[in-house]
Amino acid sequence: IQMTQSPSSLSASVGDRVTITCRASQKIYNYLNWYQHKPGQAPRLLIYTVSVLQTGVPSRFRGSGSGTDFTLTISSLQPEDFATYYCQQSHTAPRTFGQGTRVDI
Amino acid sequence: QVQLKESGPGLVKPSETLSLTCTVSGGSVSSSIDYWTWIRQPPGKTLEWIGNVFDRGSTNYNSSLKSRVSISVDTSKNQFSLRLSSVTAADTATYFCARDWSERYLDYWGQGILVTVSS
Repeated sequence: IQMTQSPSSLSASVGDRVTITCRASQKIYNYLNWYQHKPGQAPRLLIYTVSVLQTGVPSRFRGSGSGTDFTLTISSLQPEDFATYYCQQSHTAPRTFGQGTRVDI
Repeated sequence: QVQLKESGPGLVKPSETLSLTCTVSGGSVSSSIDYWTWIRQPPGKTLEWIGNVFDRGSTNYNSSLKSRVSISVDTSKNQFSLRLSSVTAADTATYFCARDWSERYLDYWGQGILVTVSS
């Protein structure tokens, strides 16, 4: 299953609302997860099963969608949110990731 | 808190075998619901799922690598390992180990280890 994210990168300011979209090449129901990755660090699970926040993830992160189209929204961007974000499907093997969305200042 | 840490050589020669180990703490590689997973990220590219080991030794592999990859588990050391044979420059990547909870999501990751394939 191919996962297509858009945009591939974006520039934003602290306090901005940011939206990242992810489209699957076939229906994946609710088997969609989002990760945050900063250089030199372990990737971090943000949201699983489309919209469930992982423990410790701030409520400014929100996931939505169904079927093939999904969205990650950051309601008010904070300095620590500048990173690359990946969607991932866990419906079918092999698990596949989107190409990533880099969020820059 | 589950922690994972990758270890192994950072430089491998072409045609040789890449071998990495992931040491798990705070969790057990013997768990029946956890799938212990390897993922890699070539420079400038996205994440690629390599495969996993579960249920004390059963495995799943990405078909694109299946002929070259082997993942195993050592329950006595609480570790799992990756072997990738006949490597080329295209196998240069940061390799991550991670825990996949019940094949649904990757909730714990290691920091990754950069492996360069070069003579």
